[in-house]
Amino acid sequence: KAGVTQTPRYLIKTRGQQVTLSCSPISGHRSVSWYQQTPGQGLQFLFEYFSETQRNKGNFPGRFSGRQFSNSRSEMNVSTLELGDSALYLCASSFPGNRAEAFFGQGTRLTVV
Amino acid sequence: AQKVTQAQTEISVVEKEDVTLDCVYETRDTTYYLFWYKQPPSGELVFLIRRNSFDEQNEISGRYSWNFQKSTSSFNFTITASQVVDSAVYFCALGGTQGGSEKLVFGKGMKLTVNP
Repeated sequence: KAGVTQTPRYLIKTRGQQVTLSCSPISGHRSVSWYQQTPGQGLQFLFEYFSETQRNKGNFPGRFSGRQFSNSRSEMNVSTLELGDSALYLCASSFPGNRAEAFFGQGTRLTVV
Repeated sequence: AQKVTQAQTEISVVEKEDVTLDCVYETRDTTYYLFWYKQPPSGELVFLIRRNSFDEQNEISGRYSWNFQKSTSSFNFTITASQVVDSAVYFCALGGTQGGSEKLVFGKGMKLTVNP
């Protein structure tokens, strides 16, 4: 059974640019969540999608957005990149209900220069 | 608001030592779930254990065991006879049940180094 796949693994962008990250969940998992991990703030929840609808959102500016497709694949977008957006972005998928464990991808390491 | 505190930031032990990772949580939910994840250098968070709030039975699974105490809001995790491969960052996480959300609140993590 394939795990959660995130692409790309590494990305270098310039301030002011925008970026799109992709996440393919485990087959059959319909819930996808995104987290930002930085040395200073740790792991912070960005947003969660279920059946193409955003179900929950963390405390991030509107520059951070996401969506989910009918095949449960998800993308997140960050516009007008800032240096502080440099982080490891992790995607998690789960089979909703009864708080089953979430399975994480290896993440996308974004560096903003 | 939900909060998870891992007071220890870094621990270094010698192989075969037992090590306990502390986790204290805060939540107003009456039903909630607690998790431990491991993050090796590759970056992927690996699920270790899950516990729900209405089951305080502590268990042992191989070299892993956990101690869940609602009275002190603690969910500690022990690795017995540690091995070099256990070296990683360990995260405690809390999940609620409101609105069916799968959101997790993580602690800051604790870096474990197991030396040969």
